[in-house]
Amino acid sequence: GQQVMQIPQYQHVQEGEDFTTYCNSSTTLSNIQWYKQRPGGHPVFLIQLVKSGEVKKQKRLTFQFGEAKKNSSLHITATQTTDVGTYFCAGVRSNDYKLSFGAGTTVTVRA
Amino acid sequence: GAGVSQTPSNKVTEKGKYVELRCDPISGHTALYWYRQSLGQGPEFLIYFQGTGAADDSGLPNDRFFAVRPEGSVSTLKIQRTERGDSAVYLCASSSSGRGPTDTQYFGPGTRLTVL
Repeated sequence: GQQVMQIPQYQHVQEGEDFTTYCNSSTTLSNIQWYKQRPGGHPVFLIQLVKSGEVKKQKRLTFQFGEAKKNSSLHITATQTTDVGTYFCAGVRSNDYKLSFGAGTTVTVRA
Repeated sequence: GAGVSQTPSNKVTEKGKYVELRCDPISGHTALYWYRQSLGQGPEFLIYFQGTGAADDSGLPNDRFFAVRPEGSVSTLKIQRTERGDSAVYLCASSSSGRGPTDTQYFGPGTRLTVL
């Protein structure tokens, strides 16, 4: 079963607003990765976080890895219709290679 | 270069039948992974190959599932005596080395399997 939990499951956002999706693991992770899956598509790699407390930005997307390396967040500012899709976090435990995916946050945008 | 490709894109079969799903990884990638994604869920790990050998098959749900990668490139996931619960999207991913948790995995488009 899933060892990585994601909330919320659904996020309905007004275009132009900000939102955050959260990811929590029951175990310490060596790194966490974020993927985006468009409707009908496959997961596409967005970013990887490795260091405790790490923050990375990609344009309007800000990714953060918690100090204890058990949680992560994705914050999107000024949401656009192109942001529609499901965002998955996937954790990797130490000395492992398997990605344990969360159930994803499905984002819809109201124009 | 070309990404990960999977065939067929869709497969409809009847309960009890045998199916094969194919994955062609990115050229030169030594690591190959199979995942299964059910509706509303994230991908779930099935098996990992390093070269020709299955380094970890702990995610295969039961002995009806089997995967091979005889020449270290193309892989085939085989499902015997299919059941309705096997219906899902089967995703394949590859990475350049697979020798570390920071190795980026690139996903294929998936095969949507429907068991009637």
